Amino acid sequence: AQRVTQPEKLLSVFKGAPVELKCNYSYSGSPELFWYVQYSRQRLQLLLRHISRESIKGFTADLNKGETSFHLKKPFAQEEDSAMYYCALSGYNFNKFYFGSGTKLNVKP
Amino acid sequence: GAVVSQHPSRVICKSGTSVKIECRSLDFQATTMFWYRQFPKQSLMLMATSNEGSKATYEQGVEKDKFLINHASLTLSTLTVTSAHPEDSSFYICSAGGQGNGEQYFGPGTRLTVT
Repeated sequence: AQRVTQPEKLLSVFKGAPVELKCNYSYSGSPELFWYVQYSRQRLQLLLRHISRESIKGFTADLNKGETSFHLKKPFAQEEDSAMYYCALSGYNFNKFYFGSGTKLNVKP
Repeated sequence: GAVVSQHPSRVICKSGTSVKIECRSLDFQATTMFWYRQFPKQSLMLMATSNEGSKATYEQGVEKDKFLINHASLTLSTLTVTSAHPEDSSFYICSAGGQGNGEQYFGPGTRLTVT
């Protein structure tokens, strides 16, 4: 069955510290993975997707098929990174999406 | 960037009545729209996928006769909660996709409260 697991509900780090938000998935086919972010009082928006291998706002994520993981990383957290982060999974045709339960990142000054 | 609107943002209705929620893509054509439900402090749960001009595909456990979805045009999808009950109270979010790259553009959500 398809599943996305984000084990941490809350992650608190100090400004300038590295941050890693964990995401593990279960999927029978070839997965497409995404990270979405929701800042306070704003709607969900795409942060990055594994197929484009891009770095957005200093965040990167590598798809590890062996470990079925897609962890989100940033070497130096900023206060404006404080938000809710959701990992999402889809199939190759993008006709369904499965979201993890989300991790709230709190970057302290 | 692509903008998706939802209307209303909040609605309170009495048990047994029906409520319609609209989802519009304002500056692009969305061949596919998704409807999610989000409970407090929980994840988004995909309810159904709607493709313009065809019947929606519902996820397992979602009653299609209760949650009527219509996607009559490339810019509008509607979700009608029929004969609403208090347990239907939730945050309903739509998103629009169909750009071929998997990116979804989310609406701001609709808070439904059934009394």
